[in-house]
Amino acid sequence: DAGITQSPRYKITETGRQVTLMCHQTWSHSYMFWYRQDLGHGLRLIYYSAAADITDKGEVSDGYVVSRSKTENFPLTLESATRSQTSVYFCAIRGGSTYEQYFGPGTRLTVT
Amino acid sequence: GNSVTQMEGPVTLSEEAFLTINCTYTATGYPSLFWYVQYPGEGLQLLLKATKADDKGSNKGFEATYRKETTSFHLEKGSVQVSDSAVYFCALSESSGNTPLVFGKGTRLSVIA
Repeated sequence: DAGITQSPRYKITETGRQVTLMCHQTWSHSYMFWYRQDLGHGLRLIYYSAAADITDKGEVSDGYVVSRSKTENFPLTLESATRSQTSVYFCAIRGGSTYEQYFGPGTRLTVT
Repeated sequence: GNSVTQMEGPVTLSEEAFLTINCTYTATGYPSLFWYVQYPGEGLQLLLKATKADDKGSNKGFEATYRKETTSFHLEKGSVQVSDSAVYFCALSESSGNTPLVFGKGTRLSVIA
């Protein structure tokens, strides 16, 4: 959806480096989410945020940090990247009256 | 807790065949139900939704009916096309809306000409 952008779209980094994935929405929806998608695991929730300065862990939050100082941005930081964090990362926002989520195009991250 | 179970894939069909992808759920209260589609190299897109029992969601020839008595939300299409090849995810939202969607593991569909 054009209202959700992720950057970079592709990233290669080395083990141990810090890397930040950006998510930006052009609306002002309260809820934002980060997922990772790996073969055989489907989508797994990393973190989510109900509003600026309110964040909550998902099922696979270890090794990740988030912040949300502005409603429209929700960056995800890998503090010290590991090979197991090689994945496709999707950001999503929640919109609509029935709580559906809308996804960004994804960031493909490779940790060497 | 809430959960969604989808049929295992991959599913391979010939063009114009009938498609069913099974989805069952476990939830308290009255969840909303969704089907998402993910085309290769893209993010998930909302395909259709239903918010209460017996509701039918439909879009692009796909349909799914919210069956509370069988806790199911099966996805169907009468005649698939090669362009329908994708991964399909079933999901539910708690009635309170205070938690993220719960997703099934996804079902890969391949349609061959």
